Parts: sequence; C-alpha cells; structure tokens
Amino acid sequence: DQQVKQNSPSLSVQEGRISILNCDYTNSMFDYFLWYKKYPAEGPTFLISISSIKDKNEDGRFTVFLNKSAKHLSLHIVPSQPGDSAVYFCAAMDAGGTSYGKLTFGQGTILTVHP
Amino acid sequence: NAGVMQNPRHLVRRRGQEARLRCSPMKGHSHVYWYRQLPEEGLKFMVYLQKENIIDESGMPKERFSAEFPKEGPSILRIQQVVRGDSAAYFCASSPTTGEQGNEQFFGPGTRLTVL
Repeated sequence: DQQVKQNSPSLSVQEGRISILNCDYTNSMFDYFLWYKKYPAEGPTFLISISSIKDKNEDGRFTVFLNKSAKHLSLHIVPSQPGDSAVYFCAAMDAGGTSYGKLTFGQGTILTVHP
Repeated sequence: NAGVMQNPRHLVRRRGQEARLRCSPMKGHSHVYWYRQLPEEGLKFMVYLQKENIIDESGMPKERFSAEFPKEGPSILRIQQVVRGDSAAYFCASSPTTGEQGNEQFFGPGTRLTVL
C-alpha cells in the first residue's frame, strides 16, 4: 500500500530552467510534508517542509506547493543547477496523530540537471 | 554542531550472524528514528525511540530485529541471525524535542549492511 507516490522515476532539465518534482498521497491524515535530497552513498538531506495549514512555502531557490483537495504537492527548483542532480524524496507525516514521528516516503525521483 | 553519526558505515555479515548498528543523534536531539532502504526502493520506517522508550515500532519485523536508545550512549539497531534479505541501507534520523521543528528529521549517512 503505497501511501506516498512519486510517479516520475526520473526528470531531466537544462541548467537555469525550472525543475518541478511531483508527489501524490492517499492518506488524508497526513498533515506535514517534507522534501529530501539524497546523493549516492549518503543519507537524505532535509530541503524544505510544509504544514497542511499552508499552501506554499519558499526557501531560496526551493518552493513547495500543497494542494490538499487533490492530495498533491510539488517541489519547484528555480533556477536549476548541475549540483541539484540527486534523488529527491517526498515524505509525509501525521503530525497530530498517534503515528507522530513516522515519515512515509515516496519512491524517489532522480533529477539530472544538464549544464 | 556535528550531525547524526552512524557506525559502521559498511558492515558485512554471514548468514546467521548478528549485526549491530549504532546511531548518535545530533546534539540536543532526543528523538531517534530508524529507516531501511532496500535496493531500488524508498525509505521505510522501522522504529521511533526516545531515551529509554520505544514510542512506535510498527515498522519493525516481528522477529530478529530490536532497537534501544539507552539513557547513556548511542541508539542501537540489532539484527539477530541475519539473512540475505536483510541486506539494505539502514538510516538513522533525529529530531528536536518539541514544536513544528520536531517534525523535521535529520538523517545520518547510513550503514550499508551486506549479508553473504
């Protein structure tokens, strides 16, 4: 039962352009969402998060959008840089419930930014 | 401020042996989480601990796996009588005590377990 889905296994963009990574979830109890970046042989690095009381959160080149009615979130990276090439994971949490602390991850999207 | 530390980074065991994975959380963090990543998959939650307490172990296999976070020292994930299917990357994460910032988990570099 995949409660968090990243349907695009990979994404390729040109340096300087926008990268848009998508994530869908099915559990309506999820109320906190996070994006992580992961390089090979390293642990995930926290990028940005959003609470369900918001629909947008911005941090530098990274913006996360949340559409609760569609159970969809996206990560926008503008402008994309070659150093952004990594695997990006979407994660969700029921922060207000008994499953607090348990992150449910998507399968990841491999982003490649070409110079 | 040192990040989450895990050791060993790589661990090779033969079938039937025991594996012990250690995790030291970030300074000031009292919540520890363990996740497992099988090849070609995302991370899967295993267990959530606070000092001397297991809060949620709903992701732990029923047999052979155990975890602890003692009052002193690192958190330990222990796998007894390992099998080839236990080969994976095991990640530890930690978070601060309270508030919305407590929702953000910071990950260590992982331990890559290979069972021969």
